[in-house]
Order: sequence, then structure tokens, then C-alpha cells
Amino acid sequence: AAGVIQSPRHLIKEKRETATLKCYPIPRHDTVYWYQQGPGQDPQFLISFYEKMQSDKGSIPDRFSAQQFSDYHSELNMSSLELGDSALYFCASSAGQFGANVLTFGAGSRLTVL
Amino acid sequence: KQEVTQIPAALSVPEGENLVLNCSFTDSAIYNLQWFRQDPGKGLTSLLLIQSSQREQTSGRLNASLDKSSGRSTLYIAASQPGDSATYLCAVSNFGNEKLTFGTGTRLTIIP
Repeated sequence: AAGVIQSPRHLIKEKRETATLKCYPIPRHDTVYWYQQGPGQDPQFLISFYEKMQSDKGSIPDRFSAQQFSDYHSELNMSSLELGDSALYFCASSAGQFGANVLTFGAGSRLTVL
Repeated sequence: KQEVTQIPAALSVPEGENLVLNCSFTDSAIYNLQWFRQDPGKGLTSLLLIQSSQREQTSGRLNASLDKSSGRSTLYIAASQPGDSATYLCAVSNFGNEKLTFGTGTRLTIIP
């Protein structure tokens, strides 16, 4: 079965650089969620999209932005990277809003900021 | 603000034993609760989803219960195996707020 695809799997950037992470949800899933998991931390919700519109926003820095495209894939853009942005970034998708369905998570994108 | 706590933070048990992981949450107005498994440096695998109207869900050797009024859930693992070693996270979603709030996890080690 198709899963949530995230790319790249690993990314190394310098401070103050920009990074873009991509997420391809499961076919027919219309909701995408982004989470950030720092070392030894639990995943923290960043932002979500339903039908290409932002549906909820969590602890996402102003330096970060995201969008969901017409094909339902989503991109998380991170600018002016800081050392503290080093983390595992997860994307999840589901069919429908309001947590009615199981969220399926991707394998994550590991960002290292040097 | 929803807060999710998992106790213990780490647990080691001999292979073959049954065990229980605990999860508690402060806001009982939840939509559902999910248990996840995470291997080191890997993604999150959903194990069980319990809707707020349900009291338990079972999948193989796993059984999750939910007591919404007391803000508690347990994950019961029967006949543990070394392959069960991982971090187990519970997460809840609240009505009107679709995001998942995660607990800090229980790191489980099954000793062969």
C-alpha cells in the first residue's frame, strides 16, 4: 500500500540558509500535518492543511512557511535556519478533518543545521 | 491546553512477560487517542486508534483501553518479544482542534 512519502530523507544546511521539505500524502488523503521532533523530544505540531487551505497552526516559527498544492502534496519552507532547527520533521496525512481518521506518518526528514 | 504524560519514561522487562504502558491527559474532551511506535531515528507507526466513544481496541498482542472521564489510557502488550523494543507514544486530538498532542513516550526494552 502507498504510504506518505517525504523528501529528502536527510538534509544538511548551514546557519542562515534555507531548506525546503516535501511531503506526498497517501492518495485520496486531503489533509496534511507537519510535526517537528527535536532530539529526545516528543513530536510538536507545526501546521496542517485541509483541501489546500491552512486548517490549524501550532508552534511554527515565523521563519517557516508551508503550503499544500493542487495535487495535495505539501512543502515546508524554512529560512534563516538556526542550530535549534535541527530535528526530525514528520509529515502525516489523513482523509478528512478533525482527527476522525488515523493519521499516517511518513518516515521523516532529518534536518541538521551546522 | 492539553498535556499528555506517559509513565514510566523507560521500562525493561524479560521476554515473554506481559506489560502495561500508561498515558494520561489533562483535557478529557478528546476526539480520539492513538498509540504509536517509534524505532530509534525512524518514523511513527500507528498501532491503535480509539475513538472517544470507545473503551478499547485490540490488534494482535496489543490492547489499548481508554477511560476518558479519568483522562487515562493503557497499552497492554502480551507475551513481549525483543522486536517490541521501541519507544511507544500516545497522542490525543481534541474536539475542534485536529492536531495531535503527543506524550513524551515510554522507551521499552525487551530483554531476550
